[in-house]
Amino acid sequence: DAKTTQPNSMESNEEEPVHLPCNHSTISGTDYIHWYRQLPSQGPEYVIHGLTSNVNNRMASLAIAEDRKSSTLILHRATLRDAAVYYCILRDDDYKLSFGAGTTVTVRA
Amino acid sequence: IAGITQAPTSQILAAGRRMTLRCTQDMRHNAMYWYRQDLGLGLRLIHYSNTAGTTGKGEVPDGYSVSRANTDDFPLTLASAVPSQTSVYFCASSKQVNTGELFFGEGSRLTVL
Repeated sequence: DAKTTQPNSMESNEEEPVHLPCNHSTISGTDYIHWYRQLPSQGPEYVIHGLTSNVNNRMASLAIAEDRKSSTLILHRATLRDAAVYYCILRDDDYKLSFGAGTTVTVRA
Repeated sequence: IAGITQAPTSQILAAGRRMTLRCTQDMRHNAMYWYRQDLGLGLRLIHYSNTAGTTGKGEVPDGYSVSRANTDDFPLTLASAVPSQTSVYFCASSKQVNTGELFFGEGSRLTVL
């Protein structure tokens, strides 16, 4: 069974922020929350990860709820190159992780 | 920086034939993985390897075998291909099996007729 739940798709306008939600109500204390994205015809690439505190890097920000049952990936200013499928996954001792269907992000010029 | 190299990029194969997808990494990562990606199903783990000399089964291992003779190479073999194995296959690696960032190859598109 999938450990995370994401919307199938989201749309955004270029230069506007994008907030991608992810629910993980059965998260355990040792699960890290990871986000990857997959551009068309490419392999997935790492975006960001966190455990409890909010995280920022050059690509995005990750906001983690206080109870850790949900998180939000924030793309601060969407560009056309951000159009991709975004995957939220939990990573712990269970190496048999699968990526699910993810959220398809469309960016309008 | 090469990272993960997969070959072939694309292949059409007759059912019943044997096929090996190659994967090489130059990052000296301990862990390596094979995923398949099918429309609407995301990526599913086929096999993984914690370190050279060890392998394990993922979510969908049937019909596939792997070997890890050294750190850099992790080939995936289909002993007798079937049409349901038509998919895009991605190889990935990470420093350790259950931590850290996964690095993915560009994928191998396999069509079994």
